[in-house]
Amino acid sequence: SQQGEEDPQALSIQEGENATMNCSYKTSINNLQWYRQNSGRGLVHLILIRSNEREKHSGRLRVTLDTSKKSSSLLITASRAADTASYFCATDPFSGGSYIPTFGRGTSLIVHP
Amino acid sequence: EAGVAQSPRYKIIEKRQSVAFWCNPISGHATLYWYQQILGQGPKLLIQFQNNGVVDDSQLPKDRFSAERLKGVDSTLKIQPAKLEDSAVYLCASSFIWQGDSPLHFGNGTRLTVT
Repeated sequence: SQQGEEDPQALSIQEGENATMNCSYKTSINNLQWYRQNSGRGLVHLILIRSNEREKHSGRLRVTLDTSKKSSSLLITASRAADTASYFCATDPFSGGSYIPTFGRGTSLIVHP
Repeated sequence: EAGVAQSPRYKIIEKRQSVAFWCNPISGHATLYWYQQILGQGPKLLIQFQNNGVVDDSQLPKDRFSAERLKGVDSTLKIQPAKLEDSAVYLCASSFIWQGDSPLHFGNGTRLTVT
């Protein structure tokens, strides 16, 4: 079953605009990570935010985490055509004595030049 | 550092045939994962190894899927016999250690088509 669910499922914007995608999850977490997947490739780690953090920045990326609402958002500022990809959040529910990295369904982002 | 290597890149088989995928993780990474990604969906964990021991295989269809990680390094995932619904991309990933704060490094996957 999916732990995290991204919203929206698809997002289409113009180059230079900001892109915001959200992730909701069900159980308590220690960390939440965001990944990008270009077509036909594996996932690439973007950023990790810990449960005791509320906001984190990395270049044009801004991630927020609200543990009370069990949700996170990823903001990409000044988007570029090269940002076209699918974006996934991953949580780490503790199960059977270990952390099990679990991905959502993803948001497909298209940035038009 | 070299990334996660997977082979083959593509595989087409008929249903009821068998197939095997190979993965070589990043050197020094103790944890290895196999994910199944069906078109349009997120990756679903099939099995997680810590060194050569299985941490979680609760979503692995054990009647047809098997995986091993010999000597705690390379890993193979096998499907026998394959079904049409096994058509997917099989992703291998590794991490230094999984405590929820170690990023996963993915290979480019093997795209399996079952006809």
